[in-house]
Amino acid sequence: EPEVTQTPSHQVTQMGQEVILRCVPISNHLYFYWYRQILGQKVEFLVSFYNNEISEKSEIFDDQFSVERPDGSNFTLKIRSTKLEDSAMYFCASSVRSSYISYEQYFGPGTRLTVT
Amino acid sequence: RKEVEQDPGPFNVPEGATVAFNCTYSNSASQSFFWYRQDCRKEPKLLMSVYSSGNEDGRFTAQLNRASQYISLLIRDSKLSDSATYLCVVNRVGNTPLVFGKGTRLSVIA
Repeated sequence: EPEVTQTPSHQVTQMGQEVILRCVPISNHLYFYWYRQILGQKVEFLVSFYNNEISEKSEIFDDQFSVERPDGSNFTLKIRSTKLEDSAMYFCASSVRSSYISYEQYFGPGTRLTVT
Repeated sequence: RKEVEQDPGPFNVPEGATVAFNCTYSNSASQSFFWYRQDCRKEPKLLMSVYSSGNEDGRFTAQLNRASQYISLLIRDSKLSDSATYLCVVNRVGNTPLVFGKGTRLSVIA
């Protein structure tokens, strides 16, 4: 069964450093998403991406964040200058495209980001 | 008001018990409704979509009341493997962001 993969599984970084989280969505999916979950909190939407551009983003997704699809398979989330409060589990998700019904968003296993 | 609110839990039930989770949502523009399951430190996984007419999948039954903006999940004959956090999730139609509740933790005890 196809699945979303994410690397690394755990990233430890110092405050102020840049990090890039990587995702390989399911191959025939066209919509890609990043969500995050701070420990003990709910899963929160960050950004969605379609046709090589951001389709929607939340208030959390400020200028410190960027996304990119550098090739035909990878989808990345970059945090330019990490803060302590960026420590969280970051989930990538993908889905097929639909304007009328909601198809399942398939989640990757997540990257645990720890900012020290 | 939170966009999706759930029973705070945790629910500790014996094997074989029936347990019900409730959820309310505030955005009347919500069109799609789901229950996801999340195991500790793992990704959310879709348990079932929730349809207006209600739907059942084995031991799991989901109900939706659009007028009250209320969603429920019933688990019958609980198994140890049902222990997890159950997330109520809504979104607008199409490829729009999922909005998650905080989840209700279920522990099924032998």
